[in-house]
Amino acid sequence: GQNIDQPTEMTATEGAIVQINCTYQTSGFNGLFWYQQHAGEAPTFLSYNVLDGLEEKGRFSSFLSRSKGYSYLLLKELQMKDSASYLCAVKDNYGQNFVFGPGTRLSVLP
Amino acid sequence: NAGVTQTPKFRVLKTGQSMTLLCAQDMNHEYMYWYRQDPGMGLRLIHYSVGEGTTAKGEVPDGYNVSRLKKQNFLLGLESAAPSQTSVYFCASSWSGLEYNEQFFGPGTRLTVL
Repeated sequence: GQNIDQPTEMTATEGAIVQINCTYQTSGFNGLFWYQQHAGEAPTFLSYNVLDGLEEKGRFSSFLSRSKGYSYLLLKELQMKDSASYLCAVKDNYGQNFVFGPGTRLSVLP
Repeated sequence: NAGVTQTPKFRVLKTGQSMTLLCAQDMNHEYMYWYRQDPGMGLRLIHYSVGEGTTAKGEVPDGYNVSRLKKQNFLLGLESAAPSQTSVYFCASSWSGLEYNEQFFGPGTRLTVL
């Protein structure tokens, strides 16, 4: 079956670092995506991993371990505008099926 | 460049009514998708299209139909709406299905079925 798990909610302080974890069990694997979604808005693309290791993009980094079915999104130097939901999604091997996790709602406090 | 647009933004239906949601993209993308988003369940793929004139079922296709008569448009139809179809619907597009091609999402349509 297809299953992606993420923590439901997280809280962190402005200027801090936060790590959002994602574990997955899918029928195939063809890449993992992270999206950011502010309340009432559309998801926007943050990062993509298909090979094991760390991908860095400014304040955001994403890590993947395919053998463990595990990824995390690391946000550094948190800003108030980072308060949003973060969605983990896996693309499987069949057609164009993207499986999304339930999302992690991050609140950044002053 | 408007990106991905959706019409309407909000809609209230009565059980049994029908409606069509329109998605349009001006990025010349080949692939288009329809998702629904429900609290605590994440985005679920309803139908998708890999090119003009083609459609395929996603994870939750029952109760929905789609058409892709023009490359830039992807229509989602509800023939007989049910309260279980109350949700936020997102359309997305991507240049191709290649692994590294991100999806661009529209602003969403909030549908309530009474």
